[in-house]
Amino acid sequence: GQQLNQSPQSMFIQEGEDVSMNCTSSSIFNTWLWYKQDPGEGPVLLIALYKAGELTSNGRLTAQFGITRKDSFLNISASIPSDVGIYFCAGPDSLNQAGTALIFGKGTTLSVSS
Amino acid sequence: GAGVSQSPSNKVTEKGKDVELRCDPISGHTALYWYRQSLGQGLEFLIYFQGNSAPDKSGLPSDRFSAERTGGSVSTLTIQRTQQEDSAVYLCASSPRLGAEAFFGQGTRLTVV
Repeated sequence: GQQLNQSPQSMFIQEGEDVSMNCTSSSIFNTWLWYKQDPGEGPVLLIALYKAGELTSNGRLTAQFGITRKDSFLNISASIPSDVGIYFCAGPDSLNQAGTALIFGKGTTLSVSS
Repeated sequence: GAGVSQSPSNKVTEKGKDVELRCDPISGHTALYWYRQSLGQGLEFLIYFQGNSAPDKSGLPSDRFSAERTGGSVSTLTIQRTQQEDSAVYLCASSPRLGAEAFFGQGTRLTVV
């Protein structure tokens, strides 16, 4: 199946700073999804992208579907303490011969100090 | 229900016992996924269902793991003869269709002692 590589693995920032993280793959994805997971909770969907080049915002969050369809990035502007958590990218594994299982990157852990 | 519901939320079991984890997906969602997440780790894909069918079971860690889905709704993940390495959070997600955005439950935290 396909694999998703997320970077950076972790980030430590000051409140108010902007954040950028990305997700890459060696093969094409037709959908990119970004999730956030708080401790003890299941991941929550932040943004879904369905078209190459698409740029979508959700409040202070902005995500883009790369033109090559092999990457996506997530930006968070003016970070606040509640942005702390693990951010995952995900997409359907089109190389899975049995179908399109949803696979996840290993996550970017964000820490925000006030 | 309004969201994906998993039960139990926590399960402590003795090594060698069987456990059954339950997932109630969002009504009408045809796709259902199971993932495993060890402490501080990412999401390990286990199995997915399209309706009641699981086309690919290769993600299950061993033959002690099995899953089924009935009526296109509730799914159960069964772990037989549990081992300590099975300790993890088991997450279920459902989606209106394969490859689309999925919505997660709170997970079941399994501890094997």
